[in-house]
Parts: sequence; C-alpha cells; structure tokens
Amino acid sequence: DAGITQSPRHKVTETGTPVTLRCHQTENHRYMYWYRQDPGHGLRLIHYSYGVKDTDKGEVSDGYSVSRSKTEDFLLTLESATSSQTSVYFCAISEAEGGFDNSPLHFGNGTRLTVT
Amino acid sequence: AQKVTQAQTEISVVEKEDVTLDCVYETRDTTYYLFWYKQPPSGELVFLIRRNSFDEQNEISGRYSWNFQKSTSSFNFTITASQVVDSAVYFCALSPTGNQFYFGTGTSLTVIP
Repeated sequence: DAGITQSPRHKVTETGTPVTLRCHQTENHRYMYWYRQDPGHGLRLIHYSYGVKDTDKGEVSDGYSVSRSKTEDFLLTLESATSSQTSVYFCAISEAEGGFDNSPLHFGNGTRLTVT
Repeated sequence: AQKVTQAQTEISVVEKEDVTLDCVYETRDTTYYLFWYKQPPSGELVFLIRRNSFDEQNEISGRYSWNFQKSTSSFNFTITASQVVDSAVYFCALSPTGNQFYFGTGTSLTVIP
C-alpha cells in the first residue's frame, strides 16, 4: 500500500468553525491532491500541489485553502466550515515527476467530515 | 474542456454474468491517459489500470478486460463471470497533460449471489 495517512478519519464540526485535515505521505512524492467525494458528483479536485509551497486550485476550491511546507505533509483547511462542505475527503499522491508522466493516483483512506 | 461521463449510475447482475461498465471522455488534448479505479464498500480507492492515448490495444487481466476506442472516445471495462467481490463503485478518470485528473461520477455495481 502507498504510504498515505489521513487524519482525522472522522470529524464532526459546527458551521462557522475552522477545520484542518492532514495528509501525510512517506513516499517522498512530488504531487499531492485533495479531492472530495459526494453522491452524484464522483470525485472532484479541490487543490493539488506539485512541490513544497507550490499549489494550485482545482474545480471546487472555493472555501478551501491548502498548505505544503514539507514534502510529506499537505494540509487542507476549511476556514469557516459550511454544511455544503459535509463530504468525504480523499488525499492522493502520484509518483509523477512532472512533464507528461501521469502516473496513477494512490489514495488515502479518506476523512469523513460532517458539518452541523 | 475535460469531461468523463459514466452514464450507468447503478448496475445489478447475477453472479457469473458478464458486465460492461461504460466510460466516455471528452478532451481536446491529443495526448492523455485514462484510468479505472475501484471503490469497494470499505471505501478505499484502488487503482486498476492506466492506458495512454497512443495505445489502443485492449488489455486483459484475469476476469477484467478493457476496450479503448479513440474513434468513439470510450474506455469500457468488462468483468467476465462476475463475483460478489466485484460489487463496488467503479470510477473512470481522464488525465491530460499537467498531471490533473478528471473523474466520472462512478458506476455502482452490485453482484447478486
């Protein structure tokens, strides 16, 4: 299994509170991604990173921010959680080194977030 | 625009039947990769196969086979002699240049014993 750990695995929080999800990898891969999974929508990209301090937005980035200060950690922050952010969040890594490589994504086990 | 369509939301088959999961993609890139992932009831996402746009050869792995046709922008997945353990949600994904991935909405397969 790819060495990806997501924490926490489950979280319940109240509307308006900040939330940070952590993704930790032991593979030293350059690319890391945050996706959310919702019924009827499949997996949608929130943000991704192609190196330390190098991040970019995905298709559903509003309301989310990310940080990557170390190769192994990619943090996803909901500054002020809303009920629409209730979802399952998956972190993924890729061994791609850039250019046209497109190595497959390997996913963590997910974080189930409920915003009440 | 990049898009993946999995028109079959849910499929049910009886064990030992063959089943084909459809995937249609849209991209203007001439170079891209296609993927299939499996998500069993336990929730993890498991990589199954990668295919690049230059390779239209069909692939077979045990009971699984994949049919890639650029002419119809399709990358279909067939499970032969289905088993209960095949019950899962299956996702097709497209990755053009730039290491971004676009997923379909998934097909939920139930294999009835």
